[in-house]
Amino acid sequence: AQSVTQLGSHVSVSEGALVLLRCNYSSSVPPYLFWYVQYPNQGLQLLLKYTSAATLVKGINGFEAEFKKSETSFHLTKPSAHMSDAAEYFCAVSNPAGTALIFGKGTTLSVSS
Amino acid sequence: NAGVMQNPRHLVRRRGQEARLRCSPMKGHSHVYWYRQLPEEGLKFMVYLQKENIIDESGMPKERFSAEFPKEGPSILRIQQVVRGDSAAYFCASSPRDDSSYNEQFFGPGTRLTVL
Repeated sequence: AQSVTQLGSHVSVSEGALVLLRCNYSSSVPPYLFWYVQYPNQGLQLLLKYTSAATLVKGINGFEAEFKKSETSFHLTKPSAHMSDAAEYFCAVSNPAGTALIFGKGTTLSVSS
Repeated sequence: NAGVMQNPRHLVRRRGQEARLRCSPMKGHSHVYWYRQLPEEGLKFMVYLQKENIIDESGMPKERFSAEFPKEGPSILRIQQVVRGDSAAYFCASSPRDDSSYNEQFFGPGTRLTVL
């Protein structure tokens, strides 16, 4: 069965520092993987997606993620954090039938000045 | 192109009442998904619908919950006889679902249900 584990429910960084949010997945088939961001009291916005093309995926707002099959990981990074990046981030994997996304529990990113 | 629309954004019900949550997918999208987000939890899949068909309801509670996506009009998630444990944010997503789909879903702003 598909599953997603996000390591660290809270991550705090200083403005300008590297952002690293960890995601490990379990999948019985080649996965489709996603990162979403959720701002307070809003819906989810897609940051980026992996669909078996390039293993390094670039998304919006300067975020990128690298698919590593050997490590079953899809960590999200950003070289330099901005205050506006403070939000909750969710990693998700598509189920084999493609009928649902399976989400991790989320990581709250705090950015301090 | 308007995004996924959900209404109401906030809904308060007393125990035992019914809750109806509406979702209008993005223009051109014919596939709708409902998710529930409990406090401190990620989103949990509930149901996947196409027009007039329920495709996957593996995440729906067996009782009190139902969903529909009629030929005309929005998708409706209905919760009968609500209990306090139903308090959560309910998100709708839609997708175009073409043959090459990898299930990219576009989310609405959610309906926050509070049961008193």
